[in-house]
Formats: sequence, C-alpha cells, structure tokens
Amino acid sequence: QSALTQPASVSGSPGQSITISCTGTSGDVGGYNFVSWYQQHPGKAPKLMIYDVSNRPSGVSPRFSGSKSGNTASLTISGLQAEDEADYYCSSYTSSSTPVGFGGGTKLTVL
Amino acid sequence: EVQLVQSGAEVKKPGESLKISCKGSGYSFSRYWIGWVRQMPGKGLEWMGIIYPGDADTRYSPSFQGQVTISVDNSIITAYLQWNSLKASDTAMYYCARGHYSGNYFYFDYWGQGTLVTVSS
Repeated sequence: QSALTQPASVSGSPGQSITISCTGTSGDVGGYNFVSWYQQHPGKAPKLMIYDVSNRPSGVSPRFSGSKSGNTASLTISGLQAEDEADYYCSSYTSSSTPVGFGGGTKLTVL
Repeated sequence: EVQLVQSGAEVKKPGESLKISCKGSGYSFSRYWIGWVRQMPGKGLEWMGIIYPGDADTRYSPSFQGQVTISVDNSIITAYLQWNSLKASDTAMYYCARGHYSGNYFYFDYWGQGTLVTVSS
C-alpha cells in the first residue's frame, strides 16, 4: 500500500482544467518541498512533469502546474487535451530509509 | 541527447539468476544517480534502489534490500539490476532512470524504455 494517497481516477472534457491530489503526512509531503509528478501513457515509460513541488522540466507544457498545501500536493492540468489521457503518479520523500515514495497513481480520462 | 537504453525482455524460470542492464549516453554518466523502479502488471511504480556511479554509493528500499543487487560499470557506462534466485512474483517491468539528488530525495528526469522480466515455470 502506497504511503501517498491519490484518487484512482479523474476525468475532464477537452479544454477544462483538472486537479489530481496527492495526500501524505507532515513526515513526507507536508514536511518537505520534495514532490514530483510523472505521466505514464500505456506501454510507455514514465515522464517527469513536475519536480520540487512546482518546477517544470524543459519541454513540459506550461498547462501542467504543481502546488502544495499542508500535507497535500496537487497537479493541475489546464486546457485539457486528448493526449493528456494517461496515468499520473506523485512522488515524495517519505523517510530516510525510503527516500523515494510513489503514490498509487491516478488514471486521467479525457471525455 | 540523454538516453538510457535497457536490455531486452527476459523469460526465466523460478530459481534462475538474472542481470539486466541500463546503458547511459549523452551526459556525464558518473555524475548522476541511476535508480531502478519496478512496475508489476497493472500496478503502480515502486522505487527499488539507486546507485551513484561516481563512487558506487548504493541505497536500497527496505522492500528490496537483500532481494536484488544494483551495480555499475563506469567503463561501459552501464548500470545493472541483478537477482540471484528469481521468483514468480518478480514478474514485472523494470525501469532505470537518471536521478537528481535534492536534499534526501531523488526525482528522475530521464527514463529507460523498460525491461520486461517474466518468471514462470
């Protein structure tokens, strides 16, 4: 069972905005600005979309943004497009013995 | 262009050993961590461990400590993930990824294409 909790699924129509949450504790998400988000299309390797809570790697669309409030981090996708349909995973520092934890993943469906 | 190219799919029997590889190119291999991530069929991502090629500093998730070995050969800019005795439950896709160290945390900016390991009698 993942230490980080994500909704199993979210959906939205093209052009809309959606937000995917990632809830942890004060010992992980809430305690550090170490949250990243990955996009994974079926049969493909994950792709880094956000790191350090809100930073976008070069080449990632500005439609993707990250934020954090308390123990919950969020990934927002604005102007939803069909190509955004994928699984999304959050990741955070979780402990000194397991510095990298992943959420269970959220399946985004573009209606 | 940064690339991580993994070895091909493997089909093994329980109890057999296996070593899969991840070859880096397009960047200074010894200066970035290389992590391994497991994805079981239809499931999410699990961090297994990570190695720093510069000094072979290696860290394992408690869930995988003692179950796998991560190593590196800088002369051929390749990282490895190894099992001594495979189990059916090791059936999964395994990804290598280039890691950035931020505080006590790692995030992964480039990923290999994945190596599918199937363990079946």
